[in-house]
Amino acid sequence: DTGVSQDPRHKITKRGQNVTFRCDPISEHNRLYWYRQTLGQGPEFLTYFQNEAQLEKSRLLSDRFSAERPKGSFSTLEIQRTEQGDSAMYLCASSDDIDYEQYFGPGTRLTVT
Amino acid sequence: GQNIDQPTEMTATEGAIVQINCTYQTSGFNGLFWYQQHAGEAPTFLSYNVLDGLEEKGRFSSFLSRSKGYSYLLLKELQMKDSASYLCAVMGAGANNLFFGTGTRLTVIP
Repeated sequence: DTGVSQDPRHKITKRGQNVTFRCDPISEHNRLYWYRQTLGQGPEFLTYFQNEAQLEKSRLLSDRFSAERPKGSFSTLEIQRTEQGDSAMYLCASSDDIDYEQYFGPGTRLTVT
Repeated sequence: GQNIDQPTEMTATEGAIVQINCTYQTSGFNGLFWYQQHAGEAPTFLSYNVLDGLEEKGRFSSFLSRSKGYSYLLLKELQMKDSASYLCAVMGAGANNLFFGTGTRLTVIP
C-alpha cells in the first residue's frame, strides 16, 4: 500500500464555484478524517468517518461543506459556493481501530480567487 | 475548551539537542501525539504518549506528564533535515480526532 492519497493536489477556483476533493485511505483503515490547515497554523479537524458512517463533524464544517464515504473506502469533500476564506490545505488522514496513529495524505491545496 | 500551547519558533545548531515543549488543556484525554511537518508537505507521525513517562525512538524522545498537562519532544544529534514544524496534538475523550497546536518551527543552523 502506498499510503493515503489525495486528488487533486492543487485546485484554483473562482469564488462561488463548487469544488470536490477525493481521498483514498490506506486500504485496511476503517477510520478516515478530514482536516483543514492554513498557513502558520496546525491542522483543524473537520469531520470523521468510521467505515461509511460520518460520526463527528466540527462546527467549522458549515452547511456549504459536505463529506461522504459511500462504501467505506474513499471519501469526498465538497465545498459549495466557495469563498476566499476557504483557501487552505485540505488534509485527509486514516487510521485503524488498533492504534490511534493517523496517517496523513499529501493534501489538496485550494486557492479561491 | 481545548487549548494547546507551544513556542512558535526555535533555532538550534546542527549536532545539538533541542527540547520543544507543549502544554495542553483539553476536555478528555486519549493520548498526545507529535508530528513533523516539512513546508508544503503532510504531517508525519513521530510519537504517541498516553501514559506518563519518556518514550524513546532513535534520535527522538517524547515525554508526558498528564497531571501537569505537559509534554516535550527531544531531538538529539540535530541534522539539517530536522528543520521543520513540529506539531503537538491531543486526542480528546471521543478518540475521534486530533486537536493540534499551531506548531513550532525549528530551524537547524550549521
